[in-house]
Amino acid sequence: DQQVKQNSPSLSVQEGRISILNCDYTNSMFDYFLWYKKYPAEGPTFLISISSIKDKNEDGRFTVFLNKSAKHLSLHIVPSQPGDSAVYFCAANSNSGYALNFGKGTSLLVTP
Amino acid sequence: NAGVMQNPRHLVRRRGQEARLRCSPMKGHSHVYWYRQLPEEGLKFMVYLQKENIIDESGMPKERFSAEFPKEGPSILRIQQVVRGDSAAYFCASSPLGSMGGYEQYFGPGTRLTVT
Repeated sequence: DQQVKQNSPSLSVQEGRISILNCDYTNSMFDYFLWYKKYPAEGPTFLISISSIKDKNEDGRFTVFLNKSAKHLSLHIVPSQPGDSAVYFCAANSNSGYALNFGKGTSLLVTP
Repeated sequence: NAGVMQNPRHLVRRRGQEARLRCSPMKGHSHVYWYRQLPEEGLKFMVYLQKENIIDESGMPKERFSAEFPKEGPSILRIQQVVRGDSAAYFCASSPLGSMGGYEQYFGPGTRLTVT
């Protein structure tokens, strides 16, 4: 039962443009959402998070938007840089559990 | 480097052997989580431990898998009598407090287990 879904396995964006990565979830108990970035043969690196009491959180070039009614969140990267090329994982957890529930990831390629 | 440490980075075992994966959390972190990533999949939660206690093992297979986090030393994930389906990347994460309610988990580089 995949409770966190990233329906786009891959995304290609030109350098300098906006990258938008999407994530949907099914469990209404989720109240904390995180994005991780992963390079091959490395562990996931925490990028940015958002609590369900907010609808937006911004950190430099990265902004996460949360639409609770649609059970949807997105990560915006502006401007995109070649070094942003990696797999991005959306994750969620709830006040009743410790586990992070991960999506399958979206592979972002930023081309020069 | 005060990050999460895992060793070995790569481990090859024959079917039926035992695999031991080690994880040292970030300095100051007392909460450890283990995840498994199968090819083309996201990370799947296995177990959450504090020192000398297993708090949540809801994601652990019922047989052959065990985990511990002793008072001294690293956390150990043990897989007995490995099978080909155990081949995966195993990631350890740590947090300063339990991540219920929204504390980030910080991940190590992973151990890639190959069962031949």
